[in-house]
Amino acid sequence: GENVGLHLPTLSVQEGDNSIINCAYSNSASDYFIWYKQESGKGPQFIIDIRSNMDKRQGQRVTVLLNKTVKHLSLQIAATQPGDSAVYFCASIHGGSNYKLTFGKGTLLTVNP
Amino acid sequence: KAGVTQTPRYLIKTRGQQVTLSCSPISGHRSVSWYQQTPGQGLQFLFEYFSETQRNKGNFPGRFSGRQFSNSRSEMNVSTLELGDSALYLCASSPIGNEQFFGPGTRLTVL
Repeated sequence: GENVGLHLPTLSVQEGDNSIINCAYSNSASDYFIWYKQESGKGPQFIIDIRSNMDKRQGQRVTVLLNKTVKHLSLQIAATQPGDSAVYFCASIHGGSNYKLTFGKGTLLTVNP
Repeated sequence: KAGVTQTPRYLIKTRGQQVTLSCSPISGHRSVSWYQQTPGQGLQFLFEYFSETQRNKGNFPGRFSGRQFSNSRSEMNVSTLELGDSALYLCASSPIGNEQFFGPGTRLTVL
């Protein structure tokens, strides 16, 4: 079945450092991937997405890398700030699922000042 | 543009009762999806509605149901509540399905 999971449940970094959050997925038919950020008491917020025909996409301070060979996805946050502290989820969609999002468990990122 | 709104934000019920949660999508969005979030299971897909039709369904028992109205607003209902139904219920809207915008959620506690 579909499974999108995360390698590490928690990540602690120093302010100003770069953060890397990893995610593995099992469904090779997944063709669209999204990273979400969820702050305490709020719903998930879209960060960045990437389609399966790409291997890298950059946003503001964030980069998503996709390695389809090993079914691995990562989110890189440059110059991490205290406001980046949150739970980060990866999610995938495969074309036959009619836009059903399958989420990973989440990684708690803590940024130490 | 106003975001996704969900009501109520917090709810306390007892076992055996039923509950109805409401979601108002972003104006112009026709797809509404519902998710259950718990510490143990994470975010799990419940169902998705598009133009008043259920287009997709997750692996939840029949006690969980939903509907969508002509104005795209959606409701989900849980009957015969169980302790394990305590969770944050999230609604997300989308213009077509891929990029989903989440509401703040309804925190349901079943006693």
